[in-house]
Amino acid sequence: AQKITQTQPGMFVQEKEAVTLDCTYDTSDPSYGLFWYKQPSSGEMIFLIYQGSYDQQNATEGRYSLNFQKARKSANLVISASQLGDSAMYFCAMRESSRDYKLSFGAGTTVTVRA
Amino acid sequence: DVKVTQSSRYLVKRTGEKVFLECVQDMDHENMFWYRQDPGLGLRLIYFSYDVKMKEKGDIPEGYSVSREKKERFSLILESASTNQTSMYLCASGETGTGELFFGEGSRLTVL
Repeated sequence: AQKITQTQPGMFVQEKEAVTLDCTYDTSDPSYGLFWYKQPSSGEMIFLIYQGSYDQQNATEGRYSLNFQKARKSANLVISASQLGDSAMYFCAMRESSRDYKLSFGAGTTVTVRA
Repeated sequence: DVKVTQSSRYLVKRTGEKVFLECVQDMDHENMFWYRQDPGLGLRLIYFSYDVKMKEKGDIPEGYSVSREKKERFSLILESASTNQTSMYLCASGETGTGELFFGEGSRLTVL
């Protein structure tokens, strides 16, 4: 069964606008963590933001924020004030304590920022 | 700057050849991982190592083996490459408990 689902294969966003990338997850572990990574065309994976299952507040890192809705099992990434350099593939990932901290990844969403 | 280095960015091999993909990290991390990335499938875990000489199968280990003789180095081996192993291979390392992984730039393997 798919543990991480990203339903948007590709998205276009206008420069300076906000964009929301969807991520839903499936786990029965009470303790887990959710990550977002960015992969530019150069190939390296860049860590963006982390949310723990027990964290009370939504995580934020600069222009990135994570909209964590535990009951709905969703962890959407919001990028505010999009820049051309935000054009990349974005991956949602989950770490479950029952899987010895190995990360499970979604299929990814490609974001293209238009000038 | 922390670094995970993969030995080859691009490789072209023939069916049946033995292929070695090397990965070195300079962060003294206990854990190292090999993932495979394919369009529409995201990253899938091939093998994982949590200590020198220790390894554990991931979700898609068939057709692959690994070696970790030194803490900083984790090798992925394709004993007899097949065309369905054409893919991007990503190495990563991380500390136990944090979950955050540091990735190399990837090795794009084409098997003809």
